Amino acid sequence: DTAVSQTPKYLVTQMGNDKSIKCEQNLGHDTMYWYKQDSKKFLKIMFSYNNKELIINETVPNRFSPKSPDKAHLNLHINSLELGDSAVYFCASSQFLSGGAETQYFGPGTRLLVL
Amino acid sequence: AQSVTQLGSHVSVSEGALVLLRCNYSSSVPPYLFWYVQYPNQGLQLLLKYTSAATLVKGINGFEAEFKKSETSFHLTKPSAHMSDAAEYFCAVSENRGSTLGRLYFGRGTQLTVWP
Repeated sequence: DTAVSQTPKYLVTQMGNDKSIKCEQNLGHDTMYWYKQDSKKFLKIMFSYNNKELIINETVPNRFSPKSPDKAHLNLHINSLELGDSAVYFCASSQFLSGGAETQYFGPGTRLLVL
Repeated sequence: AQSVTQLGSHVSVSEGALVLLRCNYSSSVPPYLFWYVQYPNQGLQLLLKYTSAATLVKGINGFEAEFKKSETSFHLTKPSAHMSDAAEYFCAVSENRGSTLGRLYFGRGTQLTVWP
């Protein structure tokens, strides 16, 4: 009964390939996020969706395209992978309360290695 | 804009000793403040959060943090460290945006090592 799940857990691929990461939450939350954690463990938000609507879109290369088919799912597609895309990608979800006070629940992460 | 500074990327303590992890923030509006913990190869888990109620916040696993507006700090403490506390700890700030979805700004993390 995992609250926020991600697939795959590990992803090793060649430069130039296209890959997708999937995220699902069973908490009934209305907001989902993608974060990137670099090799120095710095966490930065990439995207956020609220009720399937894109709310936060940080300065991310347009090779990254999120898609939310419904409130429980948020996928991340990455085109033309580059070495610098190697990182751990975390999905998170929350229920909107008062803007900013929400607890975010994180998935286990997807470790992407681009060779 | 919001930012978080965590002093000390690595902290080592002996089992049973006091744990003190430092966090200072900057925010142009009243902040919400969070501490998350990340165990190896896992996602982040909320330890505690401050949302403008009591300034001393108690969290899980015996941790607590005190919001000090005058010092713009939100340091995390635990009276007696346990081996299982070894992990990466992240302080995060979010601004109070009322009806608008907020976002978290994370510090760079502090790796806590607990020696037997």
